[in-house]
Amino acid sequence: QKEVEQNSGPLSVPEGAIASLNCTYSDRGSQSFFWYRQYSGKSPELIMFIYSNGDKEDGRFTAQLNKASQYVSLLIRDSQPSDSATYLCAVIPTGNQFYFGTGTSLTVIP
Amino acid sequence: EPEVTQTPSHQVTQMGQEVILRCVPISNHLYFYWYRQILGQKVEFLVSFYNNEISEKSEIFDDQFSVERPDGSNFTLKIRSTKLEDSAMYFCASSPFGASDYGYTFGSGTRLTVV
Repeated sequence: QKEVEQNSGPLSVPEGAIASLNCTYSDRGSQSFFWYRQYSGKSPELIMFIYSNGDKEDGRFTAQLNKASQYVSLLIRDSQPSDSATYLCAVIPTGNQFYFGTGTSLTVIP
Repeated sequence: EPEVTQTPSHQVTQMGQEVILRCVPISNHLYFYWYRQILGQKVEFLVSFYNNEISEKSEIFDDQFSVERPDGSNFTLKIRSTKLEDSAMYFCASSPFGASDYGYTFGSGTRLTVV
């Protein structure tokens, strides 16, 4: 069974703070890891992806991957109220099929 | 920016009826997908389609479901004999390469309500 686990939250941070979102996955052979953002009633939007251990930065977002611990995280710096959404961790163990977590609900308080 | 287009945005159908959900993927994309999300639950994979055939499907995608690419632009999901538990948001997605390279772009979704 290929599981992707996330803390459902809600996670609340003040505007300008760093939001830290975490994800663990069960399939040790997984190679591709993605973070999507989903606003209520909308479709998932790709934020970033990471394949290699370590950090990957894209603007205010940093993805961190630790394959030995089967752990992926997303840091959002300088959080804005517009960042309030559900963040979905998605993993591709093989092929083209995503396994999604249930998502973490983030609220950025002005 | 190119986008994946889904129609209708909301479909209400009676239990036992057949529905067809339509999608227009991004024009130069080669891989197409359907996912669904029951309210409050995970986004779940249904099927992927490449080179005019199904390449992967999940346990959810049983004989009740079928997909088709009837022409060069449309990609459809047909659900036969709908059940109450088929009520969900259905997302189409497409990607230029395999998903593991760059992920994929989702459409805005069709909310299916079975009554």
